[in-house]
Amino acid sequence: EIVLTQSPGTLSLSPGERVTLSCRASQSVTSTYLAWYQQKPGQAPRLLIYGASSRATGIPDRFSGSGSGTDFTLTISRLEPEDFAVYYCQQYDNSRLTFGGGTKVEIK
Amino acid sequence: EVQVVESGGGLVQPGGSLRLSCAASGFTFSNYAMSWVRQAPGKGLEWVSSISAGGSGTYYADSVKGRFTISRDSSKNTLYLQMNSLSPEDTALYYCARRDASGWYSLDYWGQGTLVTVSS
Repeated sequence: EIVLTQSPGTLSLSPGERVTLSCRASQSVTSTYLAWYQQKPGQAPRLLIYGASSRATGIPDRFSGSGSGTDFTLTISRLEPEDFAVYYCQQYDNSRLTFGGGTKVEIK
Repeated sequence: EVQVVESGGGLVQPGGSLRLSCAASGFTFSNYAMSWVRQAPGKGLEWVSSISAGGSGTYYADSVKGRFTISRDSSKNTLYLQMNSLSPEDTALYYCARRDASGWYSLDYWGQGTLVTVSS
């Protein structure tokens, strides 16, 4: 089973800052099968990025994804107040989905 | 508008059973694989189970294999999760999610979840 490790666990940042979130896999992940989600308190997760770098419908272009193999990154170019949330990466392999433990982006 | 709405959660004693439902609308249900994902209180997301678009393929996390059964009824546009031999570790908010149909294996629409509490 592929394990996804997200770091850091929590980031304290101010609006307007640039943020880079890391997702590292225990073995190589097919880029096609790497996704990122945003979850705000009391809400369901929302798909942000699929295929490692493609934005989902309606997602602002300040969100971008990159990476390959075992290292993937979600970047928010300029934090907006509504971006403070928890972010999860997810991969698919061998008929199973796995999620990373999440990174919380909080207001500094 | 794509919608998935979960129901059937509640309080159940350890060892008990519960069946969750997920009503889908706004898309051709029979064309999409579906998944269940759970989130224990204050914790992260955990994939539970998936079913193929036609229903012939079912997949489970090791933590629920042999206890949970996923199924679907395309005539009712409804996804199910039969949960047996429940333990306190199964306490979580259970989300139903649609898997994209383009081969990306991401979950593009999620419901708001139904809460399952296993406690005596």
